[in-house]
Amino acid sequence: DQQVKQNSPSLSVQEGRISILNCDYTNSMFDYFLWYKKYPAEGPTFLISISSIKDKNEDGRFTVFLNKSAKHLSLHIVPSQPGDSAVYFCAASRYTGNQFYFGTGTSLTVIP
Amino acid sequence: DGGITQSPKYLFRKEGQNVTLSCEQNLNHDAMYWYRQDPGQGLRLIYYSQIVNDFQKGDIAEGYSVSREKKESFPLTVTSAQKNPTAFYLCASSIERNYGYTFGSGTRLTVV
Repeated sequence: DQQVKQNSPSLSVQEGRISILNCDYTNSMFDYFLWYKKYPAEGPTFLISISSIKDKNEDGRFTVFLNKSAKHLSLHIVPSQPGDSAVYFCAASRYTGNQFYFGTGTSLTVIP
Repeated sequence: DGGITQSPKYLFRKEGQNVTLSCEQNLNHDAMYWYRQDPGQGLRLIYYSQIVNDFQKGDIAEGYSVSREKKESFPLTVTSAQKNPTAFYLCASSIERNYGYTFGSGTRLTVV
């Protein structure tokens, strides 16, 4: 049973515009969330995180928003750049848990 | 530079053979993980280890085995009991349980 879902397999955005990647989770006990970026044939690299005590976290062009009541988080990339083209995974965990649960990924293409 | 090294990058296995995927880290991380990625699916946890000489099954451990004799090393053996082993395998480590992961670059295993 998929506890973390990314319902959009792909997204295309023009360079300079905003990219919004969405993630939903089912387990209300999750309290720590990560976004990873992955290029083909490489391992994922950490992008940004947020804990459940916050509803927003920013790091440069990347902002993650958390809506606990809706069990939803989103990653905003502004402005989008061609180098942002990759697969983005969201992941969730409980503080007392032993693992992160990953979504299926969204493939972002930024068109120059 | 510190990081995680997975080898080989590509591996071909004949049906009925066991193969071992290597994962070495020099980050001094206590926890290590093995995930499997299949097309259209998220990363699924195979095994994890929080300390030397101890490891736990993840969600899809059947047909796999691991060892953790050294802090730096967490090899994964794909046995002949694994019915569908063709996948992309990712090793990860974290400084402590459930902290953010650092991933290796992955091993693509193909059964021929």
